[in-house]
Amino acid sequence: QVQLVESGGGVVQPGRSLRLSCAASGFSFSDYGMHWVRQAPGKGLEWVAVIWYDGSNENYADSVKGRFTISRDNSKNTLYLQMNSLRVEDTAAYYCARGDCSTSCPFQYWGQGALVAVSS
Amino acid sequence: EIVMTQSPATLSVSPGERATLSCRASQSVGSNLAWYQQKPGQAPRLLIYAASTRATGIPAMFSGSGSGTEFTLTISSLQSEDFAVYYCQHYNNWPPIFTFGPGTKVDV
Repeated sequence: QVQLVESGGGVVQPGRSLRLSCAASGFSFSDYGMHWVRQAPGKGLEWVAVIWYDGSNENYADSVKGRFTISRDNSKNTLYLQMNSLRVEDTAAYYCARGDCSTSCPFQYWGQGALVAVSS
Repeated sequence: EIVMTQSPATLSVSPGERATLSCRASQSVGSNLAWYQQKPGQAPRLLIYAASTRATGIPAMFSGSGSGTEFTLTISSLQSEDFAVYYCQHYNNWPPIFTFGPGTKVDV
């Protein structure tokens, strides 16, 4: 069965960096677009970033553009989110999600989330 | 930039009743509209995509309709496990942008 397992979350000071990973299994990772979605405590869902199946295209929400970088290693079935210049407002649960196609489609499968807390 | 809005913010329904949730886009999104359900402490679950197509394993009690700027999610005969927050989402192939609505909480 499809599994997505996030790791790398934690507490970090404002301005510092953190890298999240998402280990995928149960499907052909290199065939699907992948996403990061976040949810601040008690708030709604916010899409963060997408990367196409082969890494040829990526895009970001305006709120993270220039600070976050999404990447993937298809040989390791792993998705990454490099988060730099973190702000207090980046505090959230970060979910990785698999699109339902190779490019831009709704999110059929989700991980359980990694918590990121930005605080001094 | 397309803005998604949902109404009402909270919908109080009795078990066995029907729930009708609305989602509006600030400009036409065609049928590129999905609905998700999220229960407390859980990841979201895809219910509907392409405005009206049920995702794999989703029961027929969930139905979606609409196109352009106005969309509806209908949940017939609510059960206890259906009380949750429901989000609509616009998805765009190019540029790849995905926008969630603020959500509708369905409670007892």
